Amino acid sequence: AQSVTQLGSHVSVSEGALVLLRCNYSSSVPPYLFWYVQYPNQGLQLLLKYTTGATLVKGINGFEAEFKKSETSFHLTKPSAHMSDAAEYFCAVSDRWDNDMRFGAGTRLTVKP
Amino acid sequence: KAGVTQTPRYLIKTRGQQVTLSCSPISGHRSVSWYQQTPGQGLQFLFEYFSETQRNKGNFPGRFSGRQFSNSRSEMNVSTLELGDSALYLCASSGRGPLGADTQYFGPGTRLTVL
Repeated sequence: AQSVTQLGSHVSVSEGALVLLRCNYSSSVPPYLFWYVQYPNQGLQLLLKYTTGATLVKGINGFEAEFKKSETSFHLTKPSAHMSDAAEYFCAVSDRWDNDMRFGAGTRLTVKP
Repeated sequence: KAGVTQTPRYLIKTRGQQVTLSCSPISGHRSVSWYQQTPGQGLQFLFEYFSETQRNKGNFPGRFSGRQFSNSRSEMNVSTLELGDSALYLCASSGRGPLGADTQYFGPGTRLTVL
């Protein structure tokens, strides 16, 4: 069975600082990996995804993530945090055959002025 | 393209009642998945429908059911509501074909409160 662990339920950074949100996955088959962002009282918005090919994936709003098979990780980064990045971020895994997506518990990002 | 729409956005019910939630996928998408989001359990997969057939099912009791219509719109029903069913119910659609997963696009959710 697939699963996702997000390290750190809360992350706080200063505006302009590096954002690093950690995600480790477990999957017995090649995974599809996703990062979603959720703003208060809204649904999930896809930031980026990895399926196959290039392991460094660039997403919207300046975010990117790198698939590291040897470390079973898919950490999300952004070089410079903006106040508008404050939200909850979810890492998710599925496989190429199944739309049963498994989500991590989420990481709430706070950006301090 | 218009995004995934869910109705209603907010719902208040009492224990023992039943509720039906509706989801309209992105035009052309044939797969609709439902998720329950609660503070304690996080995001949990309920079920997926593709071409009017349930393709996958999560670990939820039989009180949770769904269906999909020929136009890909989907409904989710919860019978005999319990307090613990209070949650944000999210619908996601994807262009997934018979084989292979695809990106899921989420609607804004329906906030269900059970009193």
